[in-house]
Amino acid sequence: AQSVTQLGSHVSVSEGALVLLRCNYSSSVPPYLFWYVQYPNQGLQLLLKYTSAATLVKGINGFEAEFKKSETSFHLTKPSAHMSDAAEYFCAVSVKNTGNQFYFGTGTSLTVIP
Amino acid sequence: NAGVMQNPRHLVRRRGQEARLRCSPMKGHSHVYWYRQLPEEGLKFMVYLQKENIIDESGMPKERFSAEFPKEGPSILRIQQVVRGDSAAYFCASSSTRVSQETQYFGPGTRLLVL
Repeated sequence: AQSVTQLGSHVSVSEGALVLLRCNYSSSVPPYLFWYVQYPNQGLQLLLKYTSAATLVKGINGFEAEFKKSETSFHLTKPSAHMSDAAEYFCAVSVKNTGNQFYFGTGTSLTVIP
Repeated sequence: NAGVMQNPRHLVRRRGQEARLRCSPMKGHSHVYWYRQLPEEGLKFMVYLQKENIIDESGMPKERFSAEFPKEGPSILRIQQVVRGDSAAYFCASSSTRVSQETQYFGPGTRLLVL
């Protein structure tokens, strides 16, 4: 079965500091991995995705994530936090040939301190 | 270039009433997914539909919930005889193909409150 674990339901960083949001997945077959951002009372917006090409994936708004098979991780990073990055972040996994549903983590709420 | 549209954005129902949630996928997308987000939780898959067909309803509760995606018009998620536990945000997503690596594009959600 597939699952996603996001360690740290709440993360606070200072403006300009490194952002690191953790995501670990469980899958018996190679996964496809996604990071979405959700602003208050809005839908989910795709930040980036991994689909078995390059292991380091660059997304929008300066975010990037690295797929590490040995660690079953897909952590999201951004070198310098901006106030506008404050939002809820969700990691999701999809697996080939097991249907089209995405399995989501419980989310990480990012607070940026001025 | 409209994205995924959902309405209403907010819906209040009393216990026992029916809730109808609508979703119009992105232009050119024929694959629709419904997810439910309970407070402090991630999104949970409910159902996957293509035009006129339910492909996967493994996440749908067995009773009171139904979904359709007719040939014409939006996809509808219907909840009959709502209970307080149905209070949640319901998100619709769409994609252009059914391959697993295809991005799902999400609507703004419908927030259902059952009194």
